[in-house]
Amino acid sequence: SYVLTQPPSVSVAPGQTARITCEGDNIGTKSVHWYQQKPGQAPVLVVSDDSDRPSGIPERFSGSYSGNPATLTISRVEAGDEADYYCQVWESYSDFWVFGGGTKLTVL
Amino acid sequence: QVHLVQSGAEVKKPGASVKVSCQASGYIFTGYYLHWVRQAPGQGLEWMGWINPKSGGTNYAQKFQGRVSMTRDTSITTAYLELSGLRSDDTAVYYCTRGASEGRYWGQGTLVTVSS
Repeated sequence: SYVLTQPPSVSVAPGQTARITCEGDNIGTKSVHWYQQKPGQAPVLVVSDDSDRPSGIPERFSGSYSGNPATLTISRVEAGDEADYYCQVWESYSDFWVFGGGTKLTVL
Repeated sequence: QVHLVQSGAEVKKPGASVKVSCQASGYIFTGYYLHWVRQAPGQGLEWMGWINPKSGGTNYAQKFQGRVSMTRDTSITTAYLELSGLRSDDTAVYYCTRGASEGRYWGQGTLVTVSS
């Protein structure tokens, strides 16, 4: 089965840039989606199809395009960005979704 | 706007079954797949499967094959997740989410606790 690997944690100072990676076999051939999840809340889609931002998501959130690894970049990090972040792909062969293990972003 | 409203928390004994509902509004119910995703305490997101509300067709993650059933009632725009043979490690928050390749809209989650 397809596996997505994320670093367990990333730390960054306010105002700096956070980069969260997501590795998988031939991930550059798949569309990668990214979610933000704060404690006690449902996940929120922050980047879809590698680099598209849903309505209402700040421009500070961006995704790499066809990169390997896929990367979620958060510019000018704020305290409110502290959360868990998950990458996800649709595995077309099996018509399954696959999630990465998640990365906890800590704002120092 | 799109809303997915899930049923309330459940407490079940090991071996029992649980049925969680997800009522959709604000869009054409039969136009989008609904997926179910769960999250055990302190753990990551785990995809369980999807249902096509138009046809009733389903696709389940291999881990849950034989124990899971996803159904829908189009007359009340509601999807259901039923999980049988509950074990303590099924304790989790269960989410429904609308999407094809990604989850753009999510329910609020339903906590299912399995305890003797």
